[in-house]
Amino acid sequence: QSVLTQPPSVSAAPGQKVTISCSGSSSNIGNNYVSWYQQLPGTAPQLLIYDNNKRPSWIPDRFSGSKSGTSATLGITGLQTGDEADYYCGTWDSSLSARNWVFGGGTKLTVL
Amino acid sequence: QVQLQESGPGLVKPSQTLSLTCTVSGGSISSGGSYWSWIRQHPGKGLEWIGYIYHSGSTYYNPSLKSRVTISVDTSKNQFSLKLNSVTAADTAVYYCAREGGEAATFPLFDYWGQGTLVTVSS
Repeated sequence: QSVLTQPPSVSAAPGQKVTISCSGSSSNIGNNYVSWYQQLPGTAPQLLIYDNNKRPSWIPDRFSGSKSGTSATLGITGLQTGDEADYYCGTWDSSLSARNWVFGGGTKLTVL
Repeated sequence: QVQLQESGPGLVKPSQTLSLTCTVSGGSISSGGSYWSWIRQHPGKGLEWIGYIYHSGSTYYNPSLKSRVTISVDTSKNQFSLKLNSVTAADTAVYYCAREGGEAATFPLFDYWGQGTLVTVSS
């Protein structure tokens, strides 16, 4: 059972928009920044969003992030088949110790 | 460009110690501000942070694994290592090493990852 809660799967057609939620609590998302990671099939995760809503320079602006209270959301517009992947949110959780990273269980995106 | 590469046995017997090494290239493991992490992913499951080490040797471990984990660093070889003792089948997973960095960020993030190595615990 992951500390952060994500939907197991989402799907949408090419060109459409999808959002992936990440729900936590005051001990994690509520008091820390969130990063998102994309894991393409058979590969290692890679950074997608950091500081809740910032994109590394190589990530297209089709990807966006936001945070409100104890939840964060990843948005992807103009869906492409190459976006099919697992997506994970992550942040610190201070309920047990400082600098304790926790992740969501992951959301599998299917582009129909 | 920083690159990380995991190495170690792919098969470990139950009750024994899992040992992995991560070799860092393209940058110094002693560079300020970076924490060197181990993260694992059980088959078909999500990510689980194991712990990390600073080049000074300071460590932080996941409380759920703390009693069995040791992470060490060898700055002369630009490597850091993971030891997980008393393993069971539940420790079968893909193990990733990663850098917690983000010099231009407000909050830490994992910006470089190894390709991962599958470790199976079986007799």
